[in-house]
Amino acid sequence: GDSVTQMEGPVTLSEEAFLTINCTYTATGYPSLFWYVQYPGEGLQLLLKATKADDKGSNKGFEATYRKETTSFHLEKGSVQVSDSAVYFCALIDREYGNKLVFGAGTILRVKS
Amino acid sequence: DGGITQSPKYLFRKEGQNVTLSCEQNLNHDAMYWYRQDPGQGLRLIYYSQIVNDFQKGDIAEGYSVSREKKESFPLTVTSAQKNPTAFYLCASTRRGGGAGTEAFFGQGTRLTVV
Repeated sequence: GDSVTQMEGPVTLSEEAFLTINCTYTATGYPSLFWYVQYPGEGLQLLLKATKADDKGSNKGFEATYRKETTSFHLEKGSVQVSDSAVYFCALIDREYGNKLVFGAGTILRVKS
Repeated sequence: DGGITQSPKYLFRKEGQNVTLSCEQNLNHDAMYWYRQDPGQGLRLIYYSQIVNDFQKGDIAEGYSVSREKKESFPLTVTSAQKNPTAFYLCASTRRGGGAGTEAFFGQGTRLTVV
């Protein structure tokens, strides 16, 4: 079945450091890919998305590029802030095969001032 | 404003009781989902529904039940058969045929604790 694998955390960075959170996927069809962010005690909010190969999703300084050849969707940010501390989830939805929404395990990001 | 509402935010259950978590959306979405999140863990799919009066088991459906009598509502019942129900429960919805990039929207979650 479809699956998403994320790098394990927690990831601890100093303010203004460069961030990469790796995400790879396995899918039967041609999925859409998403990054969600979760702040403590809350639900998930969409951070960015990409629907086809080589698409780049971006929002609030975060970026991720849909790489079909490597089945990856790595999240990057050039300069993190303390307010970016949260849990980040990579996800896919494969509309050709059951419309099931599948998440990775999540990566905790902690940014120190 | 459109969105998903989960209630209650906090819920306490005694051993052996069934409890029902509410999830309502006014986004006109066809598909709805229930996830369970344990501390420091990812999201595990319990049940999902693509259309009214139809639903499928996810990865951890044992001890849970759902219904989908209305498009707007997808309640989750945690039964006494669920031996370790203490967790954070999240409901989500998405358009079924909305195009490749249509994302899921989430409620704010219900924290269930067994006392």
